[in-house]
Parts: sequence; structure tokens; C-alpha cells
Amino acid sequence: KQEVTQIPAALSVPEGENLVLNCSFTDSAIYNLQWFRQDPGKGLTSLLLIQSSQREQTSGRLNASLDKSSGRSTLYIAASQPGDSATYLCAVNTDKLIFGTGTRLQVFP
Amino acid sequence: GAVVSQHPSRVICKSGTSVKIECRSLDFQATTMFWYRQFPKQSLMLMATSNEGSKATYEQGVEKDKFLINHASLTLSTLTVTSAHPEDSSFYICSARRLGENIQYFGAGTRLSVL
Repeated sequence: KQEVTQIPAALSVPEGENLVLNCSFTDSAIYNLQWFRQDPGKGLTSLLLIQSSQREQTSGRLNASLDKSSGRSTLYIAASQPGDSATYLCAVNTDKLIFGTGTRLQVFP
Repeated sequence: GAVVSQHPSRVICKSGTSVKIECRSLDFQATTMFWYRQFPKQSLMLMATSNEGSKATYEQGVEKDKFLINHASLTLSTLTVTSAHPEDSSFYICSARRLGENIQYFGAGTRLSVL
């Protein structure tokens, strides 16, 4: 059974810091992995999608990497801003999406 | 783009009533739709997978008679929470997937509060 874990569960940092959020999964047989952002009480915003054949994807200040063989993905946020405060979810796609436990990020001025 | 519309965004109802939530793919045909539930401070849990024209597949522990799913067309799936009770209060999110793709597009979610 696929299990997805995210570390840390919560993170509070001053703005300007570079951040690394971690996601690990137990079964490497995935189609792709996706990172989402969720603001309190809101739906999901897709940030980055990495296909199983890819190693990383970049969008602006965000960079996500995927090491399928070791069952790991990282989301790197450069020069964090207060507007980045949200919960970040990773999800692995094995024909259905299995979501991780999430990392609650707070960036303070 | 691929837009998924979910309605209503919020519903408050009395215990014992039934609530219907709609999920529509606006600019593509969705052969498969998914329904998720999210309790406060928890992650999303898949409830069921619905394929157009066939019965939904429910995840373990999800009561199919309580959560009725209908996927009668390639652009619409509905989730009906029957005889809702306070413990059904949650955030329900749908997603849709195009034929041949392995990407899900998400609706904005529905917050259900049962009094």
C-alpha cells in the first residue's frame, strides 16, 4: 500500500529564507508526482507536476525534484515571502492520487 | 486550460437531510472523476472513483449507500450525501481526468456543515 509522508509537518521562518520541503513515498511505481498549495479553507492550487521520467521541474521561485528509486521528492522555495504561507501537499499518482500529510508553512515579515 | 467547476462552495444543512454536490468539467471531457474528503488539519483522502456510465468504485471504509455518486455524462459527476449527520461535516473536493492523461484537475471544493 502506497504511503506518502511529508517532513516537516510545520515550518515557521522569516521572509527571505530558502526552504526545502520533503516528501517520501513507499512504492516507486508512480506515473507522476504533484505539488499543491492549499490556503486555509480553500481548494488546491497545482504548483508543479513531475512525470516519472523527469528529475525536476521549475516554476519561478519553486523547484521540485524527484528521485523515484529512493521514493523522494523535494520542493525548494527560494527567497520565501509572507505570501508563500500556506499548506503544501505532495501527491503521488498511481492511477489514483495519494496525498501526503502536508507541511504547514508560515513566513513572517 | 482544464477548468473544473464545483458547486455549491458552501452548504449548511440540518441533520437528516440530503445534500447534492456537483462537479463539472467546463472545457474538456472527463472520463474519470474523483471525490475526496478532507477533515480539519488533515490531508485529502480519496472517497471514490467514478467512470462515466458505470458504477463508482469506493475506497475501503466509505459507505456507498451514504455517499451516492452519479457520473451520467462526460462533463458532470454528482455526490449526494444522504441523511447527513454532523460527523459528515467536512470539505469535499472533486477532480476530473481526461481520457489518455494522468493528470487530475481539481474543483474549488465544497464545505459541508451539518447542524
